[in-house]
Amino acid sequence: QSVLTQPPSASGTPGQRVTISCSGSSSNIGSNYVYWYQQLPGTAPKLLIYRNNQRPSGVPDRFSGSKSGTSASLAISGLRSEDEADYYCAAWDDSLSGPYWVFGGGTKLTVL
Amino acid sequence: EVQLVESGGGLVQPGGSLRLSCAASGFTFSSYEMNWVRQAPGKGLEWVSYISSSGSTIYYADSVKGRFTISRDNAKNSLYLQMNSLRAEDTAVYYCARGELLDPWGQGTLVTVSS
Repeated sequence: QSVLTQPPSASGTPGQRVTISCSGSSSNIGSNYVYWYQQLPGTAPKLLIYRNNQRPSGVPDRFSGSKSGTSASLAISGLRSEDEADYYCAAWDDSLSGPYWVFGGGTKLTVL
Repeated sequence: EVQLVESGGGLVQPGGSLRLSCAASGFTFSSYEMNWVRQAPGKGLEWVSYISSSGSTIYYADSVKGRFTISRDNAKNSLYLQMNSLRAEDTAVYYCARGELLDPWGQGTLVTVSS
């Protein structure tokens, strides 16, 4: 059971816009930045969005992130076949026993 | 080029120990906090441990606290994870990841705990 909640799957056709949600609580998303990672099949995760809505250099502007309260979302516009991957949201959680990273369970994106 | 390369994974019996290493290159290792994150086969990501740039601040996930020890050698540009009292549920690919952004990640090293 992951601390952050994501839908297990999402899908879209090429060119479509898809959004992936991530729900948390006041101790994680509500008070800290949200990060998104893309994991292509058989590879290590790669940073996609940092500090809620910032894109690292090299990440296409088709990818965008947003946050509101204790929820966040990742939007992918102009869907392409190479976007088929697992997507994870993450945030620091300010627990009483010490801060720690929490992840969503991941969303498997299928491009139909 | 910024690069992280993990090593030290393998097959170990329950109750056994293993030491993972993460060799860093292409950046000033001593300036960055580091993390270990694992991924069980077919499962999602689970954060394991954090160490500050100097090594003075360390955090662990409850699932590994008291069994795993994170450390670093800034002179050798290396990060370590000493894993003791290993359990079947520790079976996973272990990744090291740099900094506040967890960027980049290494390619991972597979740890299999089985008799």
